[in-house]
Amino acid sequence: ETGVTQTPRHLVMGMTNKKSLKCEQHLGHNAMYWYKQSAKKPLELMFVYSLEERVENNSVPSRFSPECPNSSHLFLHLHTLQPEDSALYLCASSQTLMGANEKLFFGSGTQLSVL
Amino acid sequence: GENVEQHPSTLSVQEGDSAVIKCTYSDSASNYFPWYKQELGKGPQLIIDIRSNVGEKKDQRIAVTLNKTAKHFSLHITETQPEDSAVYFCAAKRNGANNLFFGTGTRLTVIP
Repeated sequence: ETGVTQTPRHLVMGMTNKKSLKCEQHLGHNAMYWYKQSAKKPLELMFVYSLEERVENNSVPSRFSPECPNSSHLFLHLHTLQPEDSALYLCASSQTLMGANEKLFFGSGTQLSVL
Repeated sequence: GENVEQHPSTLSVQEGDSAVIKCTYSDSASNYFPWYKQELGKGPQLIIDIRSNVGEKKDQRIAVTLNKTAKHFSLHITETQPEDSAVYFCAAKRNGANNLFFGTGTRLTVIP
């Protein structure tokens, strides 16, 4: 148990659906991240939040919309996705922003399939 | 930006043998190099890391070596066990950056 919990574990959605991924960390960390993991590709950083403020957005399409209501919770809102968005979406946290403390703690991910 | 290459993509070893996974990086300003292990159905977990001011670090059966001049670093697992079977990722980060750049992963299978 890493202290980072993601729900749901699996999600199948149509291209016109709207869904949300949820992440909760129980580690008292101040920074949270969304990563995308596709087969045979490096993990791709999508968004970074520090103390509920977004500090990085790596050119992610607007059909992905993050939300961080507090330092323990992170959401990824999805709408009008494309089949190529099918992937494992990983949430991670660190004690502070990566620049100061590099150790990332990952959740188990949400396996997303877009039909 | 940083580019991290990882080899091999798959590796099979007999239980008890050693396994070595190699990574190269492109950004000479990178100074932090972690290794993550991802078991089936789980997220990556940090297993060992090294900073650019040391050349080698060891933790029980795992060790990491770093060659800054050649810009490559390696993970060494000795006396492999079936529970070492997983996908291993290397990564690199420059000081002050918010992003870890990951390799594409190595699927290690330890054959009992």
